[in-house]
Amino acid sequence: GAVVSQHPSRVICKSGTSVKIECRSLDFQATTMFWYRQFPKQSLMLMATSNEGSKATYEQGVEKDKFLINHASLTLSTLTVTSAHPEDSSFYICSARVLAGGTGELFFGEGSRLTVL
Amino acid sequence: AQSVTQLGSHVSVSEGALVLLRCNYSSSVPPYLFWYVQYPNQGLQLLLKYTSAATLVKGINGFEAEFKKSETSFHLTKPSAHMSDAAEYFCAVSPSGNTGKLIFGQGTTLQVKP
Repeated sequence: GAVVSQHPSRVICKSGTSVKIECRSLDFQATTMFWYRQFPKQSLMLMATSNEGSKATYEQGVEKDKFLINHASLTLSTLTVTSAHPEDSSFYICSARVLAGGTGELFFGEGSRLTVL
Repeated sequence: AQSVTQLGSHVSVSEGALVLLRCNYSSSVPPYLFWYVQYPNQGLQLLLKYTSAATLVKGINGFEAEFKKSETSFHLTKPSAHMSDAAEYFCAVSPSGNTGKLIFGQGTTLQVKP
C-alpha cells in the first residue's frame, strides 16, 4: 500500500513554544490530507481536512489559530501547534487519500506524540 | 449524520479462540465501513473495508467482516486468535463515495491470552 510518513514521531517542548509536525505521502500524491488527534485510550477525533493549495477545513471546536495547517504541495501537509500548553499533549495522526488510480482508500502516518511540559 | 458504536471496550480471548469484535453504525446514506488496527504508539493499518460490493469482506491477517444492513452491523471476526493480534481495533464509517472523512468508533482493545 501507499506510505504516509510523519515527522517527528516524538517531540517534547516547553509550554508556550510552537511545534511543527510534518505529514508526507512518500509514493503518491494527495490533494487531501486529514489530521486526527488521539487521547490516551481513546478514539481518533478528526481535527481538520487539509486541502492542497487552499485553506484547511476545521472541525467544530478546533481552534484554527491554535492548530495551523499548511498543505503546500501534493505530498506534504504540516500541522503547527502554536503556543503549546500541557493540554495540547496528545498523539497526532495524519492520513492521506490517493489522488488518482486508487480506491480512495486512506493511508495513515505512524503518528506523532507531542508532550508539552 | 454518521456514527459508529463499538460494543465492548475490551475483549479478551485465548490463543486459538474465535475473535468477535462488534460494530454497529448509523448512517443516513449508504455507508462505507472500515476496520483498522492500531499497535501501541503507531498509526492505523487498514484491515478491511466495505464499499457496497460483497457483504462478506475478507481482509488481511485472516480477518473478515460481514455487512448486515438489517442489523446495521459490521462485526469483525477471525476464526483463530494469534498472540500478534493483540492491539486496538477501530471501526469507522464514511458517507459512500467519500472515503476521506472517517468517523471512528471508540475502539476495542483485544487481549490474547496464551
